[in-house]
Amino acid sequence: GAVVSQHPSRVICKSGTSVKIECRSLDFQATTMFWYRQFPKKSLMLMATSNEGSKATYEQGVEKDKFLINHASLTLSTLTVTSAHPEDSSFYICSAVRTGGNEQFFGPGTRLTVL
Amino acid sequence: AQTVTQSQPEMSVQEAETVTLSCTYDTSENNYYLFWYKQPPSRQMILVIRQEAYKQQNATENRFSVNFQKAAKSFSLKISDSQLGDTAMYFCAFKDSGAGSYQLTFGKGTKLSVIP
Repeated sequence: GAVVSQHPSRVICKSGTSVKIECRSLDFQATTMFWYRQFPKKSLMLMATSNEGSKATYEQGVEKDKFLINHASLTLSTLTVTSAHPEDSSFYICSAVRTGGNEQFFGPGTRLTVL
Repeated sequence: AQTVTQSQPEMSVQEAETVTLSCTYDTSENNYYLFWYKQPPSRQMILVIRQEAYKQQNATENRFSVNFQKAAKSFSLKISDSQLGDTAMYFCAFKDSGAGSYQLTFGKGTKLSVIP
């Protein structure tokens, strides 16, 4: 149990377009999900905390209008990178916390390349 | 705010040997959780082992064990009988134990290479 999926696993887009990344908890309900960004050979950087049915909480320095997060159900959170630019190219990882639990389960990540 | 420090950016070990990865942290909390995560080339984050600060006994999971020194705020990971599949980035992480607190603070990671 406790499987988290992300879709797509890889995406290449043109500069100026928007990209949506989905994070799903497959076999459990998750009130809270997290979105991370990871640069090559670096640690995970928390971008935002996504709570089902409420607005996401963004970390300092993360533009909420650029990285739109929607957590509309207990099994799905989405991250939309709006008007993507090459500097947004990165590896994005989500994690989910089982409702009532306290451990994060990680998705396999999404590699975004903006041309 | 909590901080997690991994002072070894890279390490290598011969297959079948033992290696220890270091981690120190800083917190004013008395109770909290500590984790070691493995990130292989596939980039999937995998929980290796966890330790609850109020437990004095060091956690073990098969070939993986920790040396938790609460007073020194040290949390090292020992990998015994290293295998080629252990090659990965290893991240130490901290989580406080407050109700509704799920956020992890990660160290910068240690890249471990197991040499055949």
